[in-house]
Amino acid sequence: DVKVTQSSRYLVKRTGEKVFLECVQDMDHENMFWYRQDPGLGLRLIYFSYDVKMKEKGDIPEGYSVSREKKERFSLILESASTNQTSMYLCASSEQGISYGYTFGSGTRLTVV
Amino acid sequence: QKEVEQNSGPLSVPEGAIASLNCTYSDRGSQSFFWYRQYSGKSPELIMSIYSNGDKEDGRFTAQLNKASQYVSLLIRDSQPSDSATYLCAVSRKGRRALTFGSGTRLQVQP
Repeated sequence: DVKVTQSSRYLVKRTGEKVFLECVQDMDHENMFWYRQDPGLGLRLIYFSYDVKMKEKGDIPEGYSVSREKKERFSLILESASTNQTSMYLCASSEQGISYGYTFGSGTRLTVV
Repeated sequence: QKEVEQNSGPLSVPEGAIASLNCTYSDRGSQSFFWYRQYSGKSPELIMSIYSNGDKEDGRFTAQLNKASQYVSLLIRDSQPSDSATYLCAVSRKGRRALTFGSGTRLQVQP
């Protein structure tokens, strides 16, 4: 009954590496989101997409990019990983409109060393 | 001022008591409000949504919204140890497609 799937639960990468985090949803949702969650800071929006090939920057897009080539898949890319990008990354999806809450994936714990 | 504020806690209540979790928001144009529960090491799950002033009840949970005072609260009746988690308040602000989250309140229900 998994609806939002993140490809990795734990990742360890080296500084300077290009990192890909993948997210797939099977609910035919228009909206997909990437957040990072850090202690004391809560969930902060990195990027979101409201349609295929459409994207908008969130509150903390620096150092990240995204790709949405198909409706069900939304990828987060760390162009050159840095230690301050060590975090829990959460993908979510929702239907179009402000009345719909999110369904979250299980998260990816990324450590950059 | 943070856009969505929650007391980080921990809020400790005895089993069977009512737990009251509060959230304030700064954007008066906010339109939709959500409560998520997050167990340690897990991702958030949606438990309640509310859109208009007043109370909305779902089982042991009641969400309360007061737009004039810009706060939303979550009441958990007959609290159980399994309710121990972090509760996140999320707000849909006018003109913004994505939700803004508070940093969460940690609830501990003591057996």
